[in-house]
Amino acid sequence: DAGVTQSPTHLIKTRGQQVTLRCSPKSGHDTVSWYQQALGQGPQFIFQYYEEEERQRGNFPDRFSGHQFPNYSSELNVNALLLGDSALYLCASSTWDAWNQPQHFGDGTRLSIL
Amino acid sequence: DQQVKQNSPSLSVQEGRISILNCDYTNSMFDYFLWYKKYPAEGPTFLISISSIKDKNEDGRFTVFLNKSAKHLSLHIVPSQPGDSAVYFCAASATRGGSARQLTFGSGTQLTVLP
Repeated sequence: DAGVTQSPTHLIKTRGQQVTLRCSPKSGHDTVSWYQQALGQGPQFIFQYYEEEERQRGNFPDRFSGHQFPNYSSELNVNALLLGDSALYLCASSTWDAWNQPQHFGDGTRLSIL
Repeated sequence: DQQVKQNSPSLSVQEGRISILNCDYTNSMFDYFLWYKKYPAEGPTFLISISSIKDKNEDGRFTVFLNKSAKHLSLHIVPSQPGDSAVYFCAASATRGGSARQLTFGSGTQLTVLP
């Protein structure tokens, strides 16, 4: 039973570029959440997708956008990259109506902006 | 505004002894709390959770205590093992119509268990 998978593992970009990160949820899960973890900090919620719609959003600018596909996989897109976007990006999956069940995380994508 | 706080960046414990990791929160709407463990180059792994209707939950060597009046929770690991050495994150969420919700994390505590 595959867990949450993310790709790529590492990515290096320059300021102003655009990036797309990908996530496949754990089997049986229908909801995908994205988090940004800066060095020395805890993960910070970006947004959450269910039924191909953004359902909740954290305090992140519109440069951060996402998509969910019919197979529940998801993409995170970041435009006009800034040095401050350098971080570990984590994807977590869960079941929409199982509020008392934990979210399961992938190993993340390490994004470095030069 | 940090709604979930872990005030100890690091903790060292001797193997076999108890490890106690603490977490404080400010948002009274939080009703579900979790602890995750994170090794380098891996994603957070779920350890144990507790809902606000309980004050204690146990799973093997791990016990989480919740004090709602103090807005404080703690994770006890007994006995501690060298493999427990990792960063531990406390997380909290608030009910949204019974649906899956966003997690608010603390900044983590690095636990080192010494052999």
